[in-house]
Amino acid sequence: DAGVIQSPRHEVTEMGQEVTLRCKPISGHNSLFWYRQTMMRGLELLIYFNNNVPIDDSGMPEDRFSAKMPNASFSTLKIQPSEPRDSAVYFCASSSGLAGGPDTQYFGPGTRLTVL
Amino acid sequence: GDSVTQMEGPVTLSEEAFLTINCTYTATGYPSLFWYVQYPGEGLQLLLKATKADDKGSNKGFEATYRKETTSFHLEKGSVQVSDSAVYFCALSESTGGFKTIFGAGTRLFVKA
Repeated sequence: DAGVIQSPRHEVTEMGQEVTLRCKPISGHNSLFWYRQTMMRGLELLIYFNNNVPIDDSGMPEDRFSAKMPNASFSTLKIQPSEPRDSAVYFCASSSGLAGGPDTQYFGPGTRLTVL
Repeated sequence: GDSVTQMEGPVTLSEEAFLTINCTYTATGYPSLFWYVQYPGEGLQLLLKATKADDKGSNKGFEATYRKETTSFHLEKGSVQVSDSAVYFCALSESTGGFKTIFGAGTRLFVKA
């Protein structure tokens, strides 16, 4: 299995531009998580989906952030408009999310976002 | 709510030294406990896990025992190598949390040759 795939690996954009990050989870996994990692704030859970349905988006910083999961094999995280403080590494992770219990999360390599 | 507290880093050790990274947790139910490792430029990956009290997780020479009485899950390794230099995250997950995993702040380990 190829593991969790994220694209792009690096993104440099200017303040005010729209940014779209993409994630393909491991086939057969039914839970998907978006995280943000910075030196100051560490690893933060932004949103997670179970069976393509958003379960908890309380970590999404503000309305500029949105996430979708149109099918079991694809998810996007969009920032519009982007700001310099959004600069971070964004990770996508997936798990098999066995009903009734927790499970190991498998992380992608991350997207390093720089907003100038 | 649930939380994980782990020792602050960085931790700097010489090769072949003994490693302990402390981790304690608070949880409302009966969580599973994890240690993840993050190597430079990569995402987190599972190092080991334990799903119930007194279970011991182990992998690559690392061990951690689920201690319910002390709500702890300390990571240990008897002899570290330079290649163990990374950031280590303690984490918990329980079904009452809806499959969410709560991560600690991470502890950076440097191992000198």
